Amino acid sequence: DAKTTQPTSMDCAEGRAANLPCNHSTISGNEYVYWYRQIHSQGPQYIIHGLKNNETNEMASLIITEDRKSSTLILPHATLRDTAVYYCIALGNMLTFGGGTRLMVKP
Amino acid sequence: NAGVTQTPKFQVLKTGQSMTLQCAQDMNHNSMYWYRQDPGMGLRLIYYSASEGTTDKGEVPNGYNVSRLNKREFSLRLESAAPSQTSVYFCASREYPGLGSNQPQHFGDGTRLSIL
Repeated sequence: DAKTTQPTSMDCAEGRAANLPCNHSTISGNEYVYWYRQIHSQGPQYIIHGLKNNETNEMASLIITEDRKSSTLILPHATLRDTAVYYCIALGNMLTFGGGTRLMVKP
Repeated sequence: NAGVTQTPKFQVLKTGQSMTLQCAQDMNHNSMYWYRQDPGMGLRLIYYSASEGTTDKGEVPNGYNVSRLNKREFSLRLESAAPSQTSVYFCASREYPGLGSNQPQHFGDGTRLSIL
């Protein structure tokens, strides 16, 4: 699995877009980029994934650079309930979570 | 729609006791995984089962054993619990393993284990 690097923490105002960056410069050509989040001590929750193209679902958008060395998760209108730790993973056969980004959404 | 179910949710053990953590999924997934998460840390893979009948070590397998009982169930056993194994344990499943697999993992809610 490719190593990923994320900022330790970020703040975002409620109602604004939250943009969470991730670097994965050693990603292989067929490794997908996955995003999960963990609220309090619950199990990680799947958000979105992609290979080359940008992706959007009901929770978020994923922007992957053309060289695939980095990506950005976008929560378009952050709410207080989006406060969580967000993990970016370049998925191989196993799935290893690093430290993630602790996103604090503030009123 | 239960997804991944873990039992028990909480457990306190004494050093040297044994314990089996249970995990079951109802999504007909082929692959199952056990992780541990220590306070303030990310998840680390203990063991995984790519398919029924197979198991492989992950990043931190020492002190643990696993059994893939059938396609639905994957158990984690601590033979002689140690305080260093105090952690939150998560089970996950995925439809298929493999590099480039276009399938997310689905996680249970965890077992909080304290060893005194």
